[in-house]
Amino acid sequence: SQKIEQNSEALNIQEGKTATLTCNYTNYSPAYLQWYRQDPGRGPVFLLLIRENEKEKRKERLKVTFDTTLKQSLFHITASQPADSATYLCALDGSSNTGKLIFGQGTTLQVKP
Amino acid sequence: NAGVTQTPKFQVLKTGQSMTLQCAQDMNHEYMSWYRQDPGMGLRLIHYSVGAGITDQGEVPNGYNVSRSTTEDFPLRLLSAAPSQTSVYFCASSYYSGGYNEQFFGPGTRLTVL
Repeated sequence: SQKIEQNSEALNIQEGKTATLTCNYTNYSPAYLQWYRQDPGRGPVFLLLIRENEKEKRKERLKVTFDTTLKQSLFHITASQPADSATYLCALDGSSNTGKLIFGQGTTLQVKP
Repeated sequence: NAGVTQTPKFQVLKTGQSMTLQCAQDMNHEYMSWYRQDPGMGLRLIHYSVGAGITDQGEVPNGYNVSRSTTEDFPLRLLSAAPSQTSVYFCASSYYSGGYNEQFFGPGTRLTVL
């Protein structure tokens, strides 16, 4: 069956370090993968989209990689700040061209000053 | 632009009651969807729509109905509420431009069924 997995354990890091979050999937061939940020009590907010023919994408302190052979995406936040503390969700297109997204369960990041 | 709006923010129902969760967007997006979020489960797709008059089921559609009579509105109806439907519900919309892009989420409705 199709499955998306993110580290369910919270990730605790020190301010200034690089945070790396993992998203693994099985039995999918997604055309793209997205990353969202969710703060407590709020809806998710889009961060980055990476397509199957892109290996890497950057936006300010954020970097996403997409390895379709390993079926894995890595999400990096460099020079992390306490304000980066949130839950980060990855999502794949569930079927071609419908906009239907399948989400992972999210990883909570805590950046300590 | 208000973006995606949802009402109500909070709701408590008794088992067997019915209600409609409202969702509206003012971005002229073709695609709209409803998700529920439960602890440790992530977001699960309930129903979605790729345009007015077109809806389809997601991963967990049982107990919920939707319709899409206009581009702007996508209400979610709970037919006979059950405690298992206690959850946080999010509505989202997206535009199409050579493929579907980022989804814009509403603030959510926290529903408790007693």
